[in-house]
Amino acid sequence: ETGVTQTPRHLVMGMTNKKSLKCEQHLGHNAMYWYKQSAKKPLELMFVYNFKEQTENNSVPSRFSPECPNSSHLFLHLHTLQPEDSALYLCASSQATGTGSYEQYFGPGTRLTVT
Amino acid sequence: KQEVTQIPAALSVPEGENLVLNCSFTDSAIYNLQWFRQDPGKGLTSLLLIQSSQREQTSGRLNASLDKSSGRSTLYIAASQPGDSATYLCAVSNNNDMRFGAGTRLTVKP
Repeated sequence: ETGVTQTPRHLVMGMTNKKSLKCEQHLGHNAMYWYKQSAKKPLELMFVYNFKEQTENNSVPSRFSPECPNSSHLFLHLHTLQPEDSALYLCASSQATGTGSYEQYFGPGTRLTVT
Repeated sequence: KQEVTQIPAALSVPEGENLVLNCSFTDSAIYNLQWFRQDPGKGLTSLLLIQSSQREQTSGRLNASLDKSSGRSTLYIAASQPGDSATYLCAVSNNNDMRFGAGTRLTVKP
């Protein structure tokens, strides 16, 4: 257990559905991240939040919408997804971002399949 | 744009062997480098974090080195065990950006 939990662990959704992924960290960290891991590709950083403020958006399509209501919770709202969005979505947290050198702790991931 | 490369892509060794995994990166202006382990279908477990000012870190049978000027890091695993079988990922961090290599899939045969 890393102190970062993700729900659901598995999700199957149609292209017209709307769903949300949830991440919660119990480490007292101030930064949270969403990553996408597709088959045979390196992990891709999607979004970064530091003290609830979004500090990074790596050209992610608008069908992915993040929300960070507080430093312990992070959501990824999904709508009108495409089959190529099927992947493992990983959440991570760290003490902060920026000039510090902070270790990231990862959750177990949500395996998303878009049909 | 930072690019991270890991060699080899896959490695199979008999139990008890010492082994080295390699990671290279193109931009030496990094804050830190982190090695992770990932079991199939699971999240990442942090193994070692090396700050940009450090040259190596050790944890048990693992030793990671960092040569920032040449853009290289190695992960040394001593006396490998079947339980070490997993994919090993390196990642370099610069401010808000963290770039991962594609990983080395390690199999340790009993």
